[in-house]
This record gives sequence, structure tokens and C-alpha cells, in this order.
Amino acid sequence: GDSVTQMEGPVTLSEEAFLTINCTYTATGYPSLFWYVQYPGEGLQLLLKATKADDKGSNKGFEATYRKETTSFHLEKGSVQVSDSAVYFCALASGGSYIPTFGRGTSLIVHP
Amino acid sequence: NAGVTQTPKFQVLKTGQSMTLQCAQDMNHNSMYWYRQDPGMGLRLIYYSASEGTTDKGEVPNGYNVSRLNKREFSLRLESAAPSQTSVYFCASSEIAGESNYGYTFGSGTRLTVV
Repeated sequence: GDSVTQMEGPVTLSEEAFLTINCTYTATGYPSLFWYVQYPGEGLQLLLKATKADDKGSNKGFEATYRKETTSFHLEKGSVQVSDSAVYFCALASGGSYIPTFGRGTSLIVHP
Repeated sequence: NAGVTQTPKFQVLKTGQSMTLQCAQDMNHNSMYWYRQDPGMGLRLIYYSASEGTTDKGEVPNGYNVSRLNKREFSLRLESAAPSQTSVYFCASSEIAGESNYGYTFGSGTRLTVV
């Protein structure tokens, strides 16, 4: 079955540091890939997505590239802010499937 | 604002009581979902509805029932609440057309405590 593996957190960074959160997946066919963000006390919000190999999703300074050869979708940001502190979820949806598969989430803590 | 609305936001129940969590979306999405989120467990799917008139079990359906009332609304019922059902519950919706999946929109959650 489909699965998503994220690096365990928490990831702790200083403001303006470079961020990478690793995500690898196992899926049949060619899934769509997503990153979601959850701020404290809130629901998940779609951060970015990519629907085919080599696509790059981007939003709010975050980027992730769909790498079919390494089955990865790593999240990156060049300079994090305190306001980026949240839990980040990697997810996939196999073509035509109604059921998404979510990773366990990675907590990011950014210090001033 | 368009999105997924959940009610109530907070609830405390006594063991054995029943309640219904309400969810409505105004994006004309076909599919709707109920998840629970517990510390260290990530998101776990309780039930989903691929389209109006259908519902299916997810990973952790025991102790819950659902109703897809119409295209907009998808409710989750706890018939006899147990302390193990203390959790944060999220409703979500999505539009899936053939091989295309446009992502999932989540509500802000219901924080349920069973004492």
C-alpha cells in the first residue's frame, strides 16, 4: 500500500536559517504530492502541491520538487521566520484514489 | 470565506453520552472525510464519503457512525462516548476528478474531551 515517511522532529532552527524537511513515499502509479502546515490550535492548510514528476510546488517561500527517481518530495525554505513554527505534513494521493496518505508530521520550532 | 465549517469547536462529554459533530463545506466538493488527531499518532481516517449517498470505513471506525446528509454536510456521531475517544476531530473535503486530485481542505477542528 501507499506510505509516506517524514523525518522525525522536532526540527529546531534559528531565524533566517535554511530549512529542509525530508519526505519519501511509496505508491503505485503516479501520485499527487502535497505539503500541509498546521499552526497551533488550527486545522491543516495546504501549503503546496505537485502533480507530476519534476514539478516544483512553491508558496510563501517554501518549495518542494517531485522527484520520481528518488521517490521524494523534500520541503525547503531559504530563510525561516519565527512565524513558520508549526507542524508540517507530507501527503500523497494516488491517481483516482479518494484516500490520501499522510506522514506523521514534523514539528518545526524557529527561535529568534 | 469559502471552506469547511465544523461545530462545535470544543466539547466535554461524560462517558456514555452521545453527540454529533457537524461539518459543512461550501466548495461543492464531492468527497468528505473525518479524521482524528492524537499526539504521536498523526492523522487517522475514521470514515469518508466519496460522493453524496456513499460512506465507507477508514482506519479507525469503531465507536463512530456517519451520515452524508447532502453534498454539503457530513456528520460524525458518537453513540456512547468513551475516554479513548478524547481527541481532536477534523473534517475535510476534496474534489477528485478522474486522475486529478486538487488537494484537501480541512476544518479548524473539534476538541473533544470524554471524562
